[in-house]
Amino acid sequence: SQQGEEDPQALSIQEGENATMNCSYKTSINNLQWYRQNSGRGLVHLILIRSNEREKHSGRLRVTLDTSKKSSSLLITASRAADTASYFCATDAYSGGGADGLTFGKGTHLIIQP
Amino acid sequence: DARVTQTPRHKVTEMGQEVTMRCQPILGHNTVFWYRQTMMQGLELLAYFRNRAPLDDSGMPKDRFSAEMPDATLATLKIQPSEPRDSAVYFCASGASMNSPLHFGNGTRLTVT
Repeated sequence: SQQGEEDPQALSIQEGENATMNCSYKTSINNLQWYRQNSGRGLVHLILIRSNEREKHSGRLRVTLDTSKKSSSLLITASRAADTASYFCATDAYSGGGADGLTFGKGTHLIIQP
Repeated sequence: DARVTQTPRHKVTEMGQEVTMRCQPILGHNTVFWYRQTMMQGLELLAYFRNRAPLDDSGMPKDRFSAEMPDATLATLKIQPSEPRDSAVYFCASGASMNSPLHFGNGTRLTVT
């Protein structure tokens, strides 16, 4: 079953604008990760945020995590045409006995208009 | 640059045939995952291994799917017999540990007619 759910399903913005994607999940987690997928390729890891962290930065990416709301957001600043891709959040639900496998949402399809 | 290798990249087969997909994880990674991606269902976790031992394969249809790791350099996913509803892209991913970022292969696109 899927743990995370991204919102919106699709987002189209102009180059140079910021893009924000959200992720909600259902159960307690050890960490939350964001991945990117270009058409016809495998997923590529972008950033990992642990359950005891609230914000993390990597280049033009900023991720926030609110465990009380079971939600995360991914912000891409100063977007570029090359950022066009699908973005997924993934969580490893902690089920008491240890971390479960990483489960993904259905993704946000981001289109950057040049 | 280390990467996960999947073969074949594309497979077209007829209903009822056996399909075997192969994955070479990154050397030194001790977790291996199999996912299936479709437009309708998104990414579904089928099975995963740690140190070659299966931890969970509850996401797989047991009667037709099987996943194994004959050795540390090879993971296989078999479908027998295949059905049209199995058409999807199958991804293998490996990680250094259960909580580590995953490295994905480029997938096997399976079409069952």
